[in-house]
Parts: sequence; structure tokens; C-alpha cells
Amino acid sequence: AQRVTQPEKLLSVFKGAPVELKCNYSYSGSPELFWYVQYSRQRLQLLLRHISRESIKGFTADLNKGETSFHLKKPFAQEEDSAMYYCALINQAGTALIFGKGTTLSVSS
Amino acid sequence: DAGVTQSPTHLIKTRGQQVTLRCSPKSGHDTVSWYQQALGQGPQFIFQYYEEEERQRGNFPDRFSGHQFPNYSSELNVNALLLGDSALYLCASRVGTGGNEQFFGPGTRLTVL
Repeated sequence: AQRVTQPEKLLSVFKGAPVELKCNYSYSGSPELFWYVQYSRQRLQLLLRHISRESIKGFTADLNKGETSFHLKKPFAQEEDSAMYYCALINQAGTALIFGKGTTLSVSS
Repeated sequence: DAGVTQSPTHLIKTRGQQVTLRCSPKSGHDTVSWYQQALGQGPQFIFQYYEEEERQRGNFPDRFSGHQFPNYSSELNVNALLLGDSALYLCASRVGTGGNEQFFGPGTRLTVL
């Protein structure tokens, strides 16, 4: 079965602290994984995808096939990072995104 | 380019009614997918339309149907509404049917009373 699990509903950190949003997946074969972000009153938007190996807004995510994880990390959180974060993978047919339930990140000063 | 647009923004219906939601894809995109996002959940794939045909369908009943027009815009129809259909309905567009980034619209909030 193809599934994405985000174990934390809410993650609260102080400004300047490191952030790690957890994502685990279940997939047969080589998955294509994404992180999407939704800021308050804005639409869902792509933050990063593992195949591009980019760092966006200071966030990085590494695919760990052994642990079937794709955790999102940032060394120093900013208040503007407060948002809802969704981990997702593309289904076997390559047509649909399968999302986790999301984690709310709250960064306070 | 306004990106993906959806209408209406909000909608209130009663059980048993039918509803139609509309989506215009981002300029240059030819594929439209629909997702349902219930409160506290991630988006769930309903179906995808490409070349005016339903290409793939998620785990949703036949009460959920759709259409794609020659200009690539799309409609989502839900018949015999249930309370459990209350959700945010998201439209996403892309180029082609696989691999490319999907761009999401702002969604239509459907409330079924």
C-alpha cells in the first residue's frame, strides 16, 4: 500500500531553533517525494521535491530508503516559517499525489 | 497569469442536493486533478482529467463525477450530497499526466447541512 505518515500534528519551536518535521512512507519501488506548504490564507504550494535536491527557504529533505523517511529540516527557524506542512508522494501510476495528514509548524519569538 | 482558479469560494447545500464546482487550470496546463480535503486531513485524490477523459480515479463513489472541456477547464459534480461530503475541494493542474509539478487552486469550501 502507498501511504504517507506524519506523526506530529503540531510542532512548536522558538525562533532560531532547529526544526525537523517527520515524514515516513510506504511504497514499493523508488518513490518520488514532495513537501508542500500552506501559509495562512494562501493556497497549497510546492516547497521542495527530493529529485531536485534543492534547498528552498533554508529547508532541506533527504530521502532515506532504509528508514523509509523524508524528514524536512531547517537549522534555524524563522517566524515566517509558521504554516501547515504536508509530505506527499506520487502514486505508482505517476498521476496522483498521496498526502500525509500534515503538521502545523508554529514558530514563536 | 492568475494561476489555478476555482469557483465558487464557498457553498452551502443540504443533504440530497447536487453541486457543481468549477476549475480553470494555470495557463499552458492541460491536466486537471481534483482533491478532497476534510478537516484535519491531507488532500485525498478524487480523479484526474486529461484530453477530456477521466484518466485515473481515487477511492470515491460514483456520486462524484467530472468533466473536462476543450479549453482544459473542469467541473466536479457531486450528487446526493451527504454530511460527510463537507470539505475543501482542491483543483490542481499540470502539464501532461505524470511527473510534472502540480499547481493548486485556492479551493472551494463545501458545507452540507
